[in-house]
Amino acid sequence: AQRVTQPEKLLSVFKGAPVELKCNYSYSGSPELFWYVQYSRQRLQLLLRHISRESIKGFTADLNKGETSFHLKKPFAQEEDSAMYYCALSPSGGYQKVTFGTGTKLQVIP
Amino acid sequence: EAGVTQFPSHSVIEKGQTVTLRCDPISGHDNLYWYRRVMGKEIKFLLHFVKESKQDESGMPNNRFLAERTGGTYSTLKVQPAELEDSGVYFCASSQDNGRDEAFFGQGTRLTVV
Repeated sequence: AQRVTQPEKLLSVFKGAPVELKCNYSYSGSPELFWYVQYSRQRLQLLLRHISRESIKGFTADLNKGETSFHLKKPFAQEEDSAMYYCALSPSGGYQKVTFGTGTKLQVIP
Repeated sequence: EAGVTQFPSHSVIEKGQTVTLRCDPISGHDNLYWYRRVMGKEIKFLLHFVKESKQDESGMPNNRFLAERTGGTYSTLKVQPAELEDSGVYFCASSQDNGRDEAFFGQGTRLTVV
């Protein structure tokens, strides 16, 4: 069975400080990994997916198959980054049956 | 273009009552997904429609939950009878043809069973 673990419920950082939101997964095959974000009073939206290897809003995430991790990083946090972040996994390489983690609330302190 | 729309945004019902949640996907999106987040837990997959057919309903918790998508447009999720543990936020998402396109989420329906 697939599982996504986000160990931190809340992460508080000062503006300008580096951010790392941790995500570990368990799955026997080759999954596709995603990060979703939900800003206050907004919808859940896709932030990035590992196969696209993009940097979105300054965030990057590298899939480490050896450590089964997909941590989300940003070198300098901005106040507008404050939101709930969900790591997610899809076994099928698409958006079907996505398994989400419990989420990490990022709070950027001015 | 309108996004995924869910109705109602909030619902408070008594245990034993019936509630029907509705999801209007983005026009032209054949794939429609239901998820839910119960208090303090992760967002969990419930089921996936391709047009009007149930592609995968392995996440449906029990037979008190019934999802339909007649005509392959909007979908409803009925809970009958509702139990306290059904409280949570129910999300709907839709994507275009082949499921590999990005899935866009609705704003969710917060269901409270008292």
